[in-house]
Amino acid sequence: QVQLQESGPGLVKPSQTLSLTCTVSGGSISSGGYYWSWIRQHPGKGLEWIGYIYYSGSTYYNPSLKSRVTISVDTSKNQFSLKLSSVTAADTAVYYCAREADIWGQGTMVTVSS
Amino acid sequence: DIQMTQSPSSLSASVGDRVTITCRASQGISNYLAWFQQKPGKAPKSLIYAASSLQSGVPSKFSGSGSGTDFTLTISSLQPEDFATYYCQQYNSYPPTFGGGTKVEIK
Repeated sequence: QVQLQESGPGLVKPSQTLSLTCTVSGGSISSGGYYWSWIRQHPGKGLEWIGYIYYSGSTYYNPSLKSRVTISVDTSKNQFSLKLSSVTAADTAVYYCAREADIWGQGTMVTVSS
Repeated sequence: DIQMTQSPSSLSASVGDRVTITCRASQGISNYLAWFQQKPGKAPKSLIYAASSLQSGVPSKFSGSGSGTDFTLTISSLQPEDFATYYCQQYNSYPPTFGGGTKVEIK
């Protein structure tokens, strides 16, 4: 079955760029017409949808983060990635990748601190 | 953005109880509503989509209903593994938005 796994640094300095990758296994990111999402959860808080990318490369970002977010896909590696620029402490959260909303990765904690 | 309001924010219940959680959208979303279960330290798990359709593998003790602005998630007979936080999410319009969550605790 399809599984997703996030990877990337757990600590990012303020003003730098947060970069995460989601590796998809058990299925091709190019098939099925799914959109591939990033979602985050601040410590002890609710869920915030960041954006998604279709296998074709088209994207949609949450307007609240749009100026700082880039999501890209590498079909040859069966991966998609998140970049969030100019981070602050408010970006400290658990970051999840997901296939639409039915299959989620385990999540990765990212702390923004100097 | 569409605001999703869940109630209650927390509840205490006993094993075997019937539990109902409500979710209200700030504007009509047809049936574009999903429910998720999240246990501590784990990713959310999809339970229901399209307001009332059960995801594959989800036990039938979970059910969803509603359309428009008002929705409910019902657990027919609460079991120890059901103690968790539950979230609703609308996907009628972008960005998709989540409710604040309902924490179901053991009485």
